[in-house]
Amino acid sequence: DAMVIQNPRYQVTQFGKPVTLSCSQTLNHNVMYWYQQKSSQAPKLLFHYYDKDFNNEADTPDNFQSRRPNTSFCFLDIRSPGLGDAAMYLCATSPPSGGSYEQYFGPGTRLTVT
Amino acid sequence: AQSVTQLGSHVSVSEGALVLLRCNYSSSVPPYLFWYVQYPNQGLQLLLKYTSAATLVKGINGFEAEFKKSETSFHLTKPSAHMSDAAEYFCAVSDRGGGNKLTFGTGTQLKVEL
Repeated sequence: DAMVIQNPRYQVTQFGKPVTLSCSQTLNHNVMYWYQQKSSQAPKLLFHYYDKDFNNEADTPDNFQSRRPNTSFCFLDIRSPGLGDAAMYLCATSPPSGGSYEQYFGPGTRLTVT
Repeated sequence: AQSVTQLGSHVSVSEGALVLLRCNYSSSVPPYLFWYVQYPNQGLQLLLKYTSAATLVKGINGFEAEFKKSETSFHLTKPSAHMSDAAEYFCAVSDRGGGNKLTFGTGTQLKVEL
């Protein structure tokens, strides 16, 4: 089945220790997104890629970076995690379409910062 | 700019009762609207979407939503709640750009009681 895969599902890191979350997709979608979702809140878009074009949201902290080496894979790097970065991180994909297509979400990675 | 308001952060219904989750939108262009469901520690799953075809949209798991332009609403309903419907529900509006960016509402937690 075509899908969006996120690894690991649960990640524990130490305060200030860099961490990388990964996302892969078998849908061959052009657009990939990273969201941060804190408890009982809506997902907050951090950035998205339209093919190789990187689009950063204005309020995304510099501590968050991303890489997309090819169509299938996308990575979220948190350079120096703080306690406030503990959250669920969701990856999603979509074909480009002018808005009529939905986004397809992975199961998420829950990040704990100790 | 687009925005979504979900009235009621928590809704509780009895099993077998009608489910009504409210969503109002604001959009400077004809909107594309989505309802997603999120179970604990999972990603978001599309329930249904409105993309300017029929105003009454049927989705998965017996849910449906009606687009009402005059009321700027897209409320989600299900005639008879089931215990398995307990989850968080998000309404979202698309920016209608090529990147299919979504603006989410703050979510409604649905509780189903025996």
